[in-house]
Amino acid sequence: QSVLTQPPSASGTPGQRVTISCSGSSSNIGSNYVYWYQQLPGTAPKVLIYRNNQRPSGVPDRFSGSKSGTSASLAISGLRSEDEADYYCAAWDDSLSGVVFGGGTKLSVL
Amino acid sequence: EVLLVESGGGLVQPGGSLRLSCAASGFTVSTNYMSWVRQAPGKGLEWVSIIYSGGTTYYADSVKGRFTISRDDSRNRLYLQLNSLRLEDTAVYYCARTPERLPKYWGQGTLVTVSS
Repeated sequence: QSVLTQPPSASGTPGQRVTISCSGSSSNIGSNYVYWYQQLPGTAPKVLIYRNNQRPSGVPDRFSGSKSGTSASLAISGLRSEDEADYYCAAWDDSLSGVVFGGGTKLSVL
Repeated sequence: EVLLVESGGGLVQPGGSLRLSCAASGFTVSTNYMSWVRQAPGKGLEWVSIIYSGGTTYYADSVKGRFTISRDDSRNRLYLQLNSLRLEDTAVYYCARTPERLPKYWGQGTLVTVSS
């Protein structure tokens, strides 16, 4: 049972917009930054979003992040087949003094 | 360019020990927060430990008392000493540079398999 809650799966067709949610609490998302990661099969995770809504250089602007209260979300617009991957949210937890991850969302592009 | 290369993984029996190493280039380990994150086969990401630039360390409850994070400033390396290994410690272990306590730059990972 992960501290941050994500839906286990999501799907969309090419060109669509999909949103992945991440729910936490006041000790993690409510008081700290949220990061989002993309993990392609057999590879290391890669940061997509940092500081709730910032994109590292090289990440397409099709990816966007937002945070409100104790929840965060990742939106992917103009869905492409290469977006099929696992997506994880993460935040520092002040009560646990550690990083907490969501359980991951497997995105399928139909 | 930030580069992290892990090594030291392998097959070890339950109760055994292993030391993982992470060679960093493109930045200075000692002035950064650094972490270890693991991923069991077919499972999600699990944070393991962090070391602050000032030397403060934190551990996940699942590894506290068994794993030790450290660094060698002269070699610009991060380490994770794994003791009293259990079957459930089997995972790919990633080293990460964590500028805001969250992993931002990741290595490619090293596989630790605990099996008799």
